[in-house]
Amino acid sequence: GAVVSQHPSRVICKSGTSVKIECRSLDFQATTMFWYRQFPKQSLMLMATSNEGSKATYEQGVEKDKFLINHASLTLSTLTVTSAHPEDSSFYICSARVAPWETQYFGPGTRLLVL
Amino acid sequence: DAKTTQPPSMDCAEGRAANLPCNHSTISGNEYVYWYRQIHSQGPQYIIHGLKNNETNEMASLIITEDRKSSTLILPHATLRDTAVYYCIVRSSSGTYKYIFGTGTRLKVLA
Repeated sequence: GAVVSQHPSRVICKSGTSVKIECRSLDFQATTMFWYRQFPKQSLMLMATSNEGSKATYEQGVEKDKFLINHASLTLSTLTVTSAHPEDSSFYICSARVAPWETQYFGPGTRLLVL
Repeated sequence: DAKTTQPPSMDCAEGRAANLPCNHSTISGNEYVYWYRQIHSQGPQYIIHGLKNNETNEMASLIITEDRKSSTLILPHATLRDTAVYYCIVRSSSGTYKYIFGTGTRLKVLA
């Protein structure tokens, strides 16, 4: 149980284009999903918290107009990187949980390379 | 949010117990300690969590000191597949109950 999937697993795009990453909870309903970013040899950095049916809460320093998050259902959240640039190349990881006091379960990650 | 401190790296012989320490001296009374591990190029995998009492599951044991200022994750019989970065996280007890990841310990299990 508690499986989270991400799609795609890796994506290469040209600078200036937008990329959408999907995060799905496969066997549970996730009231909250989180999006993290990880650069090589660094730890995970929380980007935003997304609650089903409401606007995402972004961490300080994360541009909400650049990283669009939608959590339209209890099993799906999407992260869209708009007008991607090479510095946005990173490993993007989502997590999901049933309730605030519950454990977060992480997806396998999406590797984004912007050329 | 309580901050955690872990040694950057550790080695362990295959078949031996791996003991990974974590300091969380600013933890507050109702904040939980969580452990995850991340194998290269994958998402973090949940291992175990606890509040006050020691905990054990099929993967590991978690020992939390009485004052809760530190904890130790124990992998009883380390295998090569346990080579990973291990993160100790203190989960906030209010607001979004979010995780703040520290730098983790890179455990290398040696044959």
